[in-house]
Amino acid sequence: RKEVEQDPGPFNVPEGATVAFNCTYSNSASQSFFWYRQDCRKEPKLLMSVYSSGNEDGRFTAQLNRASQYISLLIRDSKLSDSATYLCVVRGRNSGYALNFGKGTSLLVTP
Amino acid sequence: GAVVSQHPSWVICKSGTSVKIECRSLDFQATTMFWYRQFPKQSLMLMATSNEGSKATYEQGVEKDKFLINHASLTLSTLTVTSAHPEDSSFYICSARDEVRAGGGHGELFFGEGSRLTVL
Repeated sequence: RKEVEQDPGPFNVPEGATVAFNCTYSNSASQSFFWYRQDCRKEPKLLMSVYSSGNEDGRFTAQLNRASQYISLLIRDSKLSDSATYLCVVRGRNSGYALNFGKGTSLLVTP
Repeated sequence: GAVVSQHPSWVICKSGTSVKIECRSLDFQATTMFWYRQFPKQSLMLMATSNEGSKATYEQGVEKDKFLINHASLTLSTLTVTSAHPEDSSFYICSARDEVRAGGGHGELFFGEGSRLTVL
């Protein structure tokens, strides 16, 4: 079983739509959680950290449910520029600062 | 913000040759850097943790004699793919943590732009 699992998509949504991505992780000792964005053939870039209390950054809202080992990302009012692959990322207690990446969920926002 | 630079961005080589990829932290020092590999439509997989002044720590299944890592200074780590074969063709990405800015917390890992290796 992979440590971090995501629905690969693709999610095709019209501009202005709201879209949600989900992710589950297998290691209950995981301590830090992130969403990264990766554009085609580029390096991943941090979108936001994810906290148990939930956090929001503009149109993006992330939630963490430790009991269910579940992470979500909600994007409101989608823009064309949001088209990318969204990576769910987890860091374990004993992994130092190395990250475990999900395969990513592909999003395409269309006009 | 902190920047991590990788070189080369693209490399094409013949089977059997060795290729060196450099990872530099441009405005911070990093005692630890990480090397990842990403195959098409796959997740980034950690290959090894590069430790300044000591041996790298390799993940299970990664051959240390094939993927040589050197972290001779606080701003430079190199990954050498020795005797490259077509199955080594992949996107190699390094990352580093700005330990000063992160303080005692986890902080953000900064990624290099990646190096795309194609072995013919």
